[in-house]
Amino acid sequence: GIQVEQSPPDLILQEGANSTLRCNFSDSVNNLQWFHQNPWGQLINLFYIPSGTKQNGRLSATTVATERYSLLYISSSQTTDSGVYFCAVYYGNNRLAFGKGNQVVVIP
Amino acid sequence: DTGVTQSPTHLIKTRGQQVTLRCSPISGHKSVSWYQQVLGQGPQFIFQYYEKEERGRGNFPDRFSARQFPNYSSELNVNALLLGDSALYLCASSLGQINQPQHFGDGTRLSIL
Repeated sequence: GIQVEQSPPDLILQEGANSTLRCNFSDSVNNLQWFHQNPWGQLINLFYIPSGTKQNGRLSATTVATERYSLLYISSSQTTDSGVYFCAVYYGNNRLAFGKGNQVVVIP
Repeated sequence: DTGVTQSPTHLIKTRGQQVTLRCSPISGHKSVSWYQQVLGQGPQFIFQYYEKEERGRGNFPDRFSARQFPNYSSELNVNALLLGDSALYLCASSLGQINQPQHFGDGTRLSIL
């Protein structure tokens, strides 16, 4: 099956710092989505991004489908950015294959 | 609009029992998918239903089954529960079957004693 690898697995940031999370995938995909999972387990949609770049406030994402990777940028991080970030790729009939996540902790 | 709703939010069962989890999709969404997330891992695909028919199944044993009703809500059933079935079960809905963003509910946290 399709493999999704995320790096780094764990990241500790000082509040106000910037960071980049990376997602590599092993095969061509129909689409890609980034999620933020909060400590209560809620999966929040961040970006639905098959290719190109999108921005939403302090977050932005870039997907280069031809090279099978996507990047999530967090700028001026805040403590509320803490949690696990998941990259998930769409394949087949709208199925999602998730990576293992990036655990981010932002300290004040 | 109300988002994807799942019930119950938490559940405790013992080994060998059976459990039914419920999901109501966003209004107008016809596709429902189920995922299992064990601690420390990303969610794993279990089932997809579209227009009341099973359209995909992940690598899970036959103890797992699901169905979708005419109002597009869905149930996930797990029989003969094992300790390893302890997980967060997530339901997602989307407008259609292909190339549509999925929206997740808050999940049901299932603990097996």
